[in-house]
Amino acid sequence: DTAVSQTPKYLVTQMGNDKSIKCEQNLGHDTMYWYKQDSKKFLKIMFSYNNKELIINETVPNRFSPKSPDKAHLNLHINSLELGDSAVYFCASSQGRGNQPQHFGDGTRLSIL
Amino acid sequence: RKEVEQDPGPFNVPEGATVAFNCTYSNSASQSFFWYRQDCRKEPKLLMSVYSSGNEDGRFTAQLNRASQYISLLIRDSKLSDSATYLCVAHRGQAGTALIFGKGTTLSVSS
Repeated sequence: DTAVSQTPKYLVTQMGNDKSIKCEQNLGHDTMYWYKQDSKKFLKIMFSYNNKELIINETVPNRFSPKSPDKAHLNLHINSLELGDSAVYFCASSQGRGNQPQHFGDGTRLSIL
Repeated sequence: RKEVEQDPGPFNVPEGATVAFNCTYSNSASQSFFWYRQDCRKEPKLLMSVYSSGNEDGRFTAQLNRASQYISLLIRDSKLSDSATYLCVAHRGQAGTALIFGKGTTLSVSS
């Protein structure tokens, strides 16, 4: 069984479009995260939710809007996509507020044409 | 200065070699530390947590030096399957804050 699953795995779209990425975890964790890994492979935190409450928002443009309908799901909606948004987006989950190991989904590869 | 810094490598070693990776962190309040492994085009996977007393898991040994704010990973008897990028990770030390990832050290083990 997949512990942290994200869809879609690949997303190719045009500049200016709006797209969503979905994430679900079946580990029973209470905290979920979105990370961005750019072409230089640097993995950077974007958002974190604990029990549906936003606890981390790392100066990400407001075109990015996370939503957590329940503690097992964290979705990411991106408006007006730009070339610089091309990256791999990883969802992760952990138990507790950040100082526990995190389990990652296998990533969504976003390419902006 | 980045919060977590690692030598990016690449480290190219033959099978059976012993290799050591180093990492420094800048936030003295950091309490929890980890090593993750990331294979090409895959997600990061937890390799091991790092404890103050040092800890070992098979061929892998992690050490933490809080005074020097330094973390290390030693891999003994390298296998071809150890080829990957190794990410050093620190927690900022405050509730509700994130894990901070280093940029990774690339290891290539050849036969």
